[in-house]
Amino acid sequence: NAGVTQTPKFRVLKTGQSMTLLCAQDMNHEYMYWYRQDPGMGLRLIHYSVGEGTTAKGEVPDGYNVSRLKKQNFLLGLESAAPSQTSVYFCASTLGDLVEPQHFGDGTRLSIL
Amino acid sequence: AQRVTQPEKLLSVFKGAPVELKCNYSYSGSPELFWYVQYSRQRLQLLLRHISRESIKGFTADLNKGETSFHLKKPFAQEEDSAMYYCALRVDNAGNMLTFGGGTRLMVKP
Repeated sequence: NAGVTQTPKFRVLKTGQSMTLLCAQDMNHEYMYWYRQDPGMGLRLIHYSVGEGTTAKGEVPDGYNVSRLKKQNFLLGLESAAPSQTSVYFCASTLGDLVEPQHFGDGTRLSIL
Repeated sequence: AQRVTQPEKLLSVFKGAPVELKCNYSYSGSPELFWYVQYSRQRLQLLLRHISRESIKGFTADLNKGETSFHLKKPFAQEEDSAMYYCALRVDNAGNMLTFGGGTRLMVKP
């Protein structure tokens, strides 16, 4: 039982390049989330999903897109990377009730040059 | 909109000293507060939540609705407590979303 797995762990991109971050969970969780972590700003929610085939915007969605085609996977896409998107990205998941806490992945460190 | 504030970015104490990590929130409804911790090279993980009213690793936190605070306390800090601590707020919403504070790095010196 790996929990929440994020790939890749590190990536360096050039401005304007695109890429997709993958989050996979094996806990049969309904809800999944993508956050970005920046110094002094904590974690800010980018997008989230409350079930397969559904997605919604979080606090800082601009410049990102997501997809939840399968229940266990939540993809975060950057269509045209910008230096302001240099950050550490965390995925999390939870059952969806109000008791289960969010479980986090190890994070993806992304640098945009 | 809801907001979580952790006024200290860095808190440095000596081993055995008491520690208090401050957390203040603003939300007009019924809040649920959490403390998450991230040890070096480990995942962010739940430390405790106010509805449980439990002590984890010697840490406690009491929700004070009058002062809108949820400070994390431990009477005797240990070196292994050194980590990044995040206070988080869950509001009444269907997405089970959390709003995080900016985090406080706790350093416990020997």
